[in-house]
Amino acid sequence: ETGVTQSPTHLIKTRGQQVTLRCSSQSGHNTVSWYQQALGQGPQFIFQYYREEENGRGNFPPRFSGLQFPNYSSELNVNALELDDSALYLCASSPTGNAYNEQFFGPGTRLTVL
Amino acid sequence: RKEVEQDPGPFNVPEGATVAFNCTYSNSASQSFFWYRQDCRKEPKLLMSVYSSGNEDGRFTAQLNRASQYISLLIRDSKLSDSATYLCVVSKAAGNKLTFGGGTRVLVKP
Repeated sequence: ETGVTQSPTHLIKTRGQQVTLRCSSQSGHNTVSWYQQALGQGPQFIFQYYREEENGRGNFPPRFSGLQFPNYSSELNVNALELDDSALYLCASSPTGNAYNEQFFGPGTRLTVL
Repeated sequence: RKEVEQDPGPFNVPEGATVAFNCTYSNSASQSFFWYRQDCRKEPKLLMSVYSSGNEDGRFTAQLNRASQYISLLIRDSKLSDSATYLCVVSKAAGNKLTFGGGTRVLVKP
């Protein structure tokens, strides 16, 4: 186990709703990244938080937003849900000064948008 | 063109055989390279980092060819438990985002 936890495990929402996903990073890790994995595809980078600041963003619209808290846990918020937002959402944590950029993934939240 | 491209497979491999597959990456500024393993409906897990000189971890051998911009993974003496999707991953810099390929599915059969 990586020590990264995510909640909830599964979620069903309808189009237009808003959702908040949560991630607790591994102890000692201050960087959290979020990824979206659609069925049959590799994970796609959404954004990264380092010490409570956004530290890079992928090609996702502004309705995808996030937060990182002082304890380095993180939230991913998605507004105005669309059908294509149905995916596995993964968070990954890594420690400061990780020269090889190894990231440790949580089990993911499976979001279904109807 | 995708930044990281992989043959999606599946590679059907007899138990005990050797299987190898590559991925290509388009960004010459990429600095870090990894293979992750993902089981069905589970999170990706780091299999191994890939170093310029090539590296081996038990039955797994990874190679990096910077000139041709490809990474390879070889699995020897395949086990049934090796059945999974193998994700090729690159990163431009330490602490930066990971860019994943679409994955190569490997099925090891008795």
